[in-house]
Amino acid sequence: AQSVTQPDARVTVSEGASLQLRCKYSSSVTPYLFWYVQYPRQGLQLLLKYYSGDPVVQGVNGFEAEFSKSNSSFHLRKASVHWSDSAVYFCAVSINSGTYQRFGTGTKLQVVP
Amino acid sequence: EAGVTQSPRYAVLQEGQAVSFWCDPISGHDTLYWYQQPRDQGPQLLVYFRDEAVIDNSQLPSDRFSAVRPKGTNSTLKIQSAKQGDTATYLCASSSDREGANTEVFFGKGTRLTVV
Repeated sequence: AQSVTQPDARVTVSEGASLQLRCKYSSSVTPYLFWYVQYPRQGLQLLLKYYSGDPVVQGVNGFEAEFSKSNSSFHLRKASVHWSDSAVYFCAVSINSGTYQRFGTGTKLQVVP
Repeated sequence: EAGVTQSPRYAVLQEGQAVSFWCDPISGHDTLYWYQQPRDQGPQLLVYFRDEAVIDNSQLPSDRFSAVRPKGTNSTLKIQSAKQGDTATYLCASSSDREGANTEVFFGKGTRLTVV
């Protein structure tokens, strides 16, 4: 069965600095990969998704992620973070568009002045 | 367009009590998911439906949890005899499988359950 691992439970970065949140996936087939953000007392909001094609996918609010089949990774990046980016970020995987998504344990991002 | 609506937003129970959560998916979405999200963890699937049919309920504790979607629209998740270990946020989500590869799953704000 497919799965994702987010090795970093918490990440702290300074405002204006660059960001990378790590996600490793396990799947017997090329998976569908997703990044979500969750603000306090809110549901999950989709940042970006990857199905095929260009391994670098652009998302909302300046986020992007890069799919690497050789590394089984789908890391999330942002060039310059803002305090409002502080939230919990989840990586998720599914084997096709019609099945449910399996989520990682999340990375809590804190952006400090 | 209205999003996924869940109610109640919060619930506090004593062990042994029952509770029901209600979900109204986005209009026209054929697939509906219920996830359980314990504090500081990722969402874990409990059950999902396509129209009124259960597609996967293998992670649903069948002795105390039940879920229905009788007309393929709204859904109810019920916990009989709640336990402290059920304390979590219960998320409902919906998607349209008819849209094929660009299916996006939309999440509600969740119901935060505390069992004391």
